[in-house]
Amino acid sequence: EIVLTQSPGTLSLFPGERATLSCRASQSVSSLYLAWYQQKPGQAPRLLIYGASSRATGIPDRFSGSGSGTDFTLTISRLEPEDFAVYYCQQYGSSSWTFGQGTKVEIK
Amino acid sequence: EVQLVESGGGLVQPGGSQRLSCAASGFTFTSYAMSWVRQAPGKGLEWVSTITVSGDSTYYVDSVKGRFTISRDNSKSTLYLQMNSLRAEDTAVYYCAALYAGRFDPWGQGTLVIVSS
Repeated sequence: EIVLTQSPGTLSLFPGERATLSCRASQSVSSLYLAWYQQKPGQAPRLLIYGASSRATGIPDRFSGSGSGTDFTLTISRLEPEDFAVYYCQQYGSSSWTFGQGTKVEIK
Repeated sequence: EVQLVESGGGLVQPGGSQRLSCAASGFTFTSYAMSWVRQAPGKGLEWVSTITVSGDSTYYVDSVKGRFTISRDNSKSTLYLQMNSLRAEDTAVYYCAALYAGRFDPWGQGTLVIVSS
């Protein structure tokens, strides 16, 4: 099973600042199968990024994804108030799907 | 409007059974594999199970193998999760989600299962 480790656990930033979230895999992951989700309290997760770098429908361009192999990054260029949430990376491989433990982006 | 609506959650005793349902609408159910993902209170997301479009292949996380069974009725656009021998650690919000190219989208709003005496 591929383990995804996200860092940092919590990111405290001001609105307008840039957020950089990391997702490291225990073994190489196909970029085709690396996704990022946003979850707000009391809500279901929402797909943000798929294929490591493609934005899902309706996702603003301040969200971007990058990376390959074992290291992937989600960047929020300028934080809007509605972006403060928990973010999860997720991978698929060998008929198994795993999530990272999440990064909470909180208002400083 | 694309919608996934889960139902069937509730309080169940340890060792008991529960059946979750997920009704899909607004998209072509028969074009997507489907999955269940759960989230224990205050914790992260955990993939539970996946079923292919035809239902002929199913996959499970190790912790539920032999206890949970995923199924689907394409004529009703509905996904199911039969959960047996429930344990306290199965307490979670259970989300159904469509699966395409390894990613989950969309998601339902979730149904809470509490395993407790």
